Amino acid sequence: GENVEQHPSTLSVQEGDSAVIKCTYSDSASNYFPWYKQELGKRPQLIIDIRSNVGEKKDQRIAVTLNKTAKHFSLHITETQPEDSAVYFCAASPRGVGNTGKLIFGQGTTLQVKP
Amino acid sequence: DTEVTQTPKHLVMGMTNKKSLKCEQHMGHRAMYWYKQKAKKPPELMFVYSYEKLSINESVPSRFSPECPNSSLLNLHLHALQPEDSALYLCASSPSEGRIGRTGELFFGEGSRLTVL
Repeated sequence: GENVEQHPSTLSVQEGDSAVIKCTYSDSASNYFPWYKQELGKRPQLIIDIRSNVGEKKDQRIAVTLNKTAKHFSLHITETQPEDSAVYFCAASPRGVGNTGKLIFGQGTTLQVKP
Repeated sequence: DTEVTQTPKHLVMGMTNKKSLKCEQHMGHRAMYWYKQKAKKPPELMFVYSYEKLSINESVPSRFSPECPNSSLLNLHLHALQPEDSALYLCASSPSEGRIGRTGELFFGEGSRLTVL
């Protein structure tokens, strides 16, 4: 089955710097890759996603890149702010009968943005 | 209404109790999910309902029993739980695109924090 590896597990940056979180996946048939942000005590919330027919997607300070050949995708946050501090989870959706709606999550990255 | 509402927010139960977690959404989504999340860990999929039918059961112990009474409601019935079942239980919904292999955005509820004594 699908396996998602996420690195680093913790990341500390200075306010205004960029942050990059990387994930690799094992199932080459996976076709949907969302990123979720979870603040302490809150629900996971989708911040950006990308489908397998696209190589890059950007939304203001957040961008995601996908390399299907290498089976990895990355989250890039520019001009980080203290409110970006949270746990970030990547996920992959394996394709195929019986897998509709299934997301496999990475282990999470705790991002700390220091003022 | 873009909310997934879960009740109760907190639940403490003994190992012999029977309780239920409830989830409701009014976004017209036809896929609903139960996830379990332990502290500092990612959400783990338990069940998926698609068009009110159970489509995925991730080998969850029978002490957890899901129910989908209609397209807006999802319940998780709990019976004879163990202390290691203590966790945050997240309900989620997504628009069903009606095609096998397509996945839409998951909308999560705030979760029900369960403590089993």
